[in-house]
Amino acid sequence: KQEVTQIPAALSVPEGENLVLNCSFTDSAIYNLQWFRQDPGKGLTSLLLIQSSQREQTSGRLNASLDKSSGRSTLYIAASQPGDSATYLCAVGLDNNAGNMLTFGGGTRLMVKP
Amino acid sequence: ETGVTQSPTHLIKTRGQQVTLRCSSQSGHNTVSWYQQALGQGPQFIFQYYREEENGRGNFPPRFSGLQFPNYSSELNVNALELDDSALYLCASSFRGKTYEQYFGPGTRLTVT
Repeated sequence: KQEVTQIPAALSVPEGENLVLNCSFTDSAIYNLQWFRQDPGKGLTSLLLIQSSQREQTSGRLNASLDKSSGRSTLYIAASQPGDSATYLCAVGLDNNAGNMLTFGGGTRLMVKP
Repeated sequence: ETGVTQSPTHLIKTRGQQVTLRCSSQSGHNTVSWYQQALGQGPQFIFQYYREEENGRGNFPPRFSGLQFPNYSSELNVNALELDDSALYLCASSFRGKTYEQYFGPGTRLTVT
């Protein structure tokens, strides 16, 4: 059974700092990995999708890496801003020939202080 | 391009009642998944529908059931509601193909009293 862990559970940083969020998973037989952002009480916004054959993806100030063999992914946020405050969720996708089912970590709650 | 929409936004039900939640997939998507997110936790996979058939299910009892319609909209039905069913229910759509990237709706907040 796939298990996904995110460390730290919560993080508070001053504005402008570069930061790294960590995600680990127990089964390396994944199809893809997605990073999401969730604002309080809201749905999930997809930030980055990494296919199992890829090593990293970048979008603006965000960079996500994937190391399947070690069961790890990191989300790097450059020059953090107060607007980045949210919960960040990592999810690994399993394709069992019937679809792509996501297993989520518990999230990292990020607070960026002005 | 229309995103994923869900209705209603909030819902309050009494233990033992039944509830139906609705989801409209993003245009061009043929797969819909449902997730349950308890407060302070990550979402948990309930089930997925493709071509109107369930093709994957998480660790949820049979009182959680669903439908997918020809226009790829979907329903989640929960019978015999329990207090622990109180959660945010999220719908996600994707196109079964190369990337399977999933796009989520805003969710329905269900409170069972």
